[in-house]
Amino acid sequence: AQSVSQHNHHVILSEAASLELGCNYSYGGTVNLFWYVQYPGQHLQLLLKYFSGDPLVKGIKGFEAEFIKSKFSFNLRKPSVQWSDTAEYFCAVNRMDSSYKLIFGSGTRLLVRP
Amino acid sequence: GAVVSQHPSWVICKSGTSVKIECRSLDFQATTMFWYRQFPKQSLMLMATSNEGSKATYEQGVEKDKFLINHASLTLSTLTVTSAHPEDSSFYICSATHRGHEQYFGPGTRLTVT
Repeated sequence: AQSVSQHNHHVILSEAASLELGCNYSYGGTVNLFWYVQYPGQHLQLLLKYFSGDPLVKGIKGFEAEFIKSKFSFNLRKPSVQWSDTAEYFCAVNRMDSSYKLIFGSGTRLLVRP
Repeated sequence: GAVVSQHPSWVICKSGTSVKIECRSLDFQATTMFWYRQFPKQSLMLMATSNEGSKATYEQGVEKDKFLINHASLTLSTLTVTSAHPEDSSFYICSATHRGHEQYFGPGTRLTVT
């Protein structure tokens, strides 16, 4: 069965540190890739998405992600985190032939210390 | 744009009763809506996919007679949890899409069954 793996369940960083959250998926066909963020007490928001084209995708709030097809990966990065980035981050994959269904990773809880 | 609302935001009901949750797309027509369930500190689990005017498609392991989904219009889908039990207590989230792969998420509904 297809799956999405996020290897870091909890990450603690100090402000200004660099962030990289891993995401791998197990599906060999064409996919769309997403990163969502869920701030405490708020609903899911789209950070960025990859459908096609340049594998380096820039999103909101200084986040970016790189799609590496050969590694089935879509890692999220931010050069310098802020306290306000404290949230839970979810990677999600949508197969092109799956009627838009999203498969979510287990999420990574990020705590940024001021 | 692309706002999805849910009502109620939280609900407490007694065991054995039914509760209805509404999901509305406020500024676009949602050809497809999705219902997810999120347990504390866990990821989103897709429950069902709902296309306007047709029966919902349930994921494996989700009881369709317990979780009744109706998508009667392009802006409204409802999830009814029938004969609720304490193990149905969870955070229920809907999302909507308009013929695309990007889903817009509602703020969620917290259900507590006593």
